[in-house]
Amino acid sequence: ETGVTQSPTHLIKTRGQQVTLRCSSQSGHNTVSWYQQALGQGPQFIFQYYREEENGRGNFPPRFSGLQFPNYSSELNVNALELDDSALYLCASSLGEREQYFGPGTRLTVT
Amino acid sequence: AQKVTQAQTEISVVEKEDVTLDCVYETRDTTYYLFWYKQPPSGELVFLIRRNSFDEQNEISGRYSWNFQKSTSSFNFTITASQVVDSAVYFCALSARSGGGADGLTFGKGTHLIIQP
Repeated sequence: ETGVTQSPTHLIKTRGQQVTLRCSSQSGHNTVSWYQQALGQGPQFIFQYYREEENGRGNFPPRFSGLQFPNYSSELNVNALELDDSALYLCASSLGEREQYFGPGTRLTVT
Repeated sequence: AQKVTQAQTEISVVEKEDVTLDCVYETRDTTYYLFWYKQPPSGELVFLIRRNSFDEQNEISGRYSWNFQKSTSSFNFTITASQVVDSAVYFCALSARSGGGADGLTFGKGTHLIIQP
């Protein structure tokens, strides 16, 4: 196990709703990255937080937003949910530029 | 733009056979990093290896070995004497930074490896 935890494990939401996913990074890690993995696809980079600031973002619309807290845990918020947002959301923590260690993911289903 | 291609969608072999997973990448960066991750049914991505573009030496770790060839932009992964526990989806990934950095990791679509007893 990597020491990265995510909650909840599974979530079902209705189109148009908002959702918040949570991630606790591995002890000593100060950087958190979020990825979206659609069924049968590889993970896609959403954004990264370093010392509570977003310092990198993939090709995702502004309705995907995040936060990082002083203890380096993080939240991913998605507004106005769409059916295509159904996916496994993976959080990864790292110490700066070192390799990323992933959590077990949150499975989001939008109906 | 970076791109990773894993042409093998699914591979099925019998236990104890050797199997090679292919990975071809595209990048304009002169310095870059290549990764392999394993994703068992539980969903958690497990880090296997990272190589930088300046180190073309092959690496062996137990039953796992990796062949990096810049001339063909490939970073292939071989499992020797496969075991049922090796069954998983394997992802190859690419980044301009050692840990993924602010641009994140670019993943291939993965290869589903099935090891039959």
